[in-house]
Amino acid sequence: EVQLVQSGAEVKKPGESLKISCKASGYSFSSYWIGWVRQMPGKGLEWMGIIYPGDFDTRYSPSFQGQVTISADKSISTAYLQWSSLKASDTAIYYCARRRVESSTSSGKVFYFYYGIDVWGHGTTVTVSS
Amino acid sequence: DIVMTQSPLSLPVTPGEPASISCRSSQSLLYSDGHNYLDWYLQKPGQSPQLLIYLASSRASGVPDRFSGSGSGTDFTLKISRVEAEDVGVYYCMEALQTPGTFGQGTKLEIK
Repeated sequence: EVQLVQSGAEVKKPGESLKISCKASGYSFSSYWIGWVRQMPGKGLEWMGIIYPGDFDTRYSPSFQGQVTISADKSISTAYLQWSSLKASDTAIYYCARRRVESSTSSGKVFYFYYGIDVWGHGTTVTVSS
Repeated sequence: DIVMTQSPLSLPVTPGEPASISCRSSQSLLYSDGHNYLDWYLQKPGQSPQLLIYLASSRASGVPDRFSGSGSGTDFTLKISRVEAEDVGVYYCMEALQTPGTFGQGTKLEIK
């Protein structure tokens, strides 16, 4: 079974650092993009960024560039989201999610087929309060 | 950046009746491969989002056939042929032309 299991809830103070994790199982971790989505209290979904563990290509949404760092460890099939200095406005639920794209080869050409953001973690609640 | 705009933002529906949600993108989501890179997701209360529709009209595995997606270019629609109580939650469209994509604001479906 394909699964993303996230680390537990965190309560932090402003200015502290934090790294949360998302462990993948049931598929080839290196072969699919995996990203992070923020949901602030009572609000909608926002993509923060995404990483391709195969070559560590990482892309950030403009609002989050420079605010967080996304990384991955292929040896343990785990993606990370980290902050160097938390703010109260970072209080939110953070979901990791897999972007499924399958490839096939025909006549020497590689074709890609997109199947959506098909697997989601259960979410990690981060509370930042003094 | 691509901006996604959904309407309505709130949708009260009587069980058994149809429902429709509109999503408009600020630029065309039609890619050179002929597919429209537009997804629909449902976030039920207290749960993680779940994929309903990808590439504008392809139903994800396990999604009931009362859900259907249509549209091309910049205008898309999610339709529920007969709403059931279990369909309550917030529906999001998302452009997948970019990596990562961009979500719409969400449409909250509630039962009358």
